[in-house]
Amino acid sequence: ETGVTQSPTHLIKTRGQQVTLRCSSQSGHNTVSWYQQALGQGPQFIFQYYREEENGRGNFPPRFSGLQFPNYSSELNVNALELDDSALYLCASSDYTGYYGYTFGSGTRLTVV
Amino acid sequence: KQEVTQIPAALSVPEGENLVLNCSFTDSAIYNLQWFRQDPGKGLTSLLLIQSSQREQTSGRLNASLDKSSGRSTLYIAASQPGDSATYLCAVSMNRDDKIIFGKGTRLHILP
Repeated sequence: ETGVTQSPTHLIKTRGQQVTLRCSSQSGHNTVSWYQQALGQGPQFIFQYYREEENGRGNFPPRFSGLQFPNYSSELNVNALELDDSALYLCASSDYTGYYGYTFGSGTRLTVV
Repeated sequence: KQEVTQIPAALSVPEGENLVLNCSFTDSAIYNLQWFRQDPGKGLTSLLLIQSSQREQTSGRLNASLDKSSGRSTLYIAASQPGDSATYLCAVSMNRDDKIIFGKGTRLHILP
């Protein structure tokens, strides 16, 4: 059984650029959620995808968008990067009910300069 | 709106001691609660998951309890070791297909 894998592990971008982060869900999981974790804070919910559609969104602007593919993998896209977007981005997978909890990946550290 | 609080924010204890980390939540109608461990700059490792109908879960030296009526959970770590040094996060889910809401974590340092 493979866990959740995220790529890349680290990324440095310039303010105003666009970035795409990728996530492969754990085998048997069909739901993917994305979280942003600023330094010293708990993770904040960005959005969740199920059956290739957005199934819930946190308090993030539209320049944060996502995709889910038929194999349940997912992408997080951020346009017009701002300095405050610098954070650890975490992907989590689960079954649709969340009954068995969430499995997280190792994260992507994004630095915007 | 559900809020999750973890106290203390940081804790340092000598190796070998038993310790308790606390998590409180404002809305007791949770679906389940999960404890995670996070090493610096790394992702989250799930430690224990407690369903809303359960009172506690155990894994090795870890025991997590849940008291829904009072909006509290505790994570008990027995015989602490330097390798237990990490940030411990508590997270609750309100519904079966909903997001999970995190506390800010407790940063634990075990002194050799």
